[in-house]
Amino acid sequence: EVQLLESGGGLVQPGGSLRLSCVASEFSFTYYAMSWVRQAPGKGLEWVSTISSSDGRTYYADSVKGRFTISRDNSKNTLYLQMNSLTAEDTAVYYCAKRPIGLYYFDYWGQGILVTVFS
Amino acid sequence: QSALTQPASVSGSPGQSITISCTGTSSDLGDYNYVSWYQQHPGKAPKLMIFHVSNRPSGVSSRFSGSKSGNTASLTVSGLQAEDEADYYCGSHTSNTTLPYVFGSGTKVTVL
Repeated sequence: EVQLLESGGGLVQPGGSLRLSCVASEFSFTYYAMSWVRQAPGKGLEWVSTISSSDGRTYYADSVKGRFTISRDNSKNTLYLQMNSLTAEDTAVYYCAKRPIGLYYFDYWGQGILVTVFS
Repeated sequence: QSALTQPASVSGSPGQSITISCTGTSSDLGDYNYVSWYQQHPGKAPKLMIFHVSNRPSGVSSRFSGSKSGNTASLTVSGLQAEDEADYYCGSHTSNTTLPYVFGSGTKVTVL
């Protein structure tokens, strides 16, 4: 069974940084595009970022562009999200999600990790 | 580009059918047959229910079905059960290179 396990969340002050990790197992991580999706408290889902499998091309929502960096280490089956210049609006549960090869939906999700930005 | 538009809430009695709409634009739902639907119970991760308009992943009940017409997609839940009470989100690939994926605003389904 595919598993995605996020870590690295927690409390951080405005302007601070945090790095999220997502360890993948039970599938060939190298071949799949991976994404981060977040959900602010009581709000809906918001796509944050995607990294392709083949050329490592990255995509970001306007709300995080220039502040967040998505990356992957295929040797460790791990997806990352480096978050800098955090604001209260970044407070959310962050999910990593797997996308089937060449298709446009998310078939597996991690359990989510909470990031709280407060002063 | 803003989120796809869904009704805030839909309700139905056990055994009934409900339909949730998801309205987009020609840049997302209108241009592609890539709409998907996710179910989310409180405190849990989203779960894929429908992909590419009307396809069900293995293990998802046949009570869930999807369709699309123009810029509007729909999710129908037939034979409503208590366990179907959850939030539902549509999602779609878009032609916007700066926002390649967009979710709907979400619909709370209540089983009366």
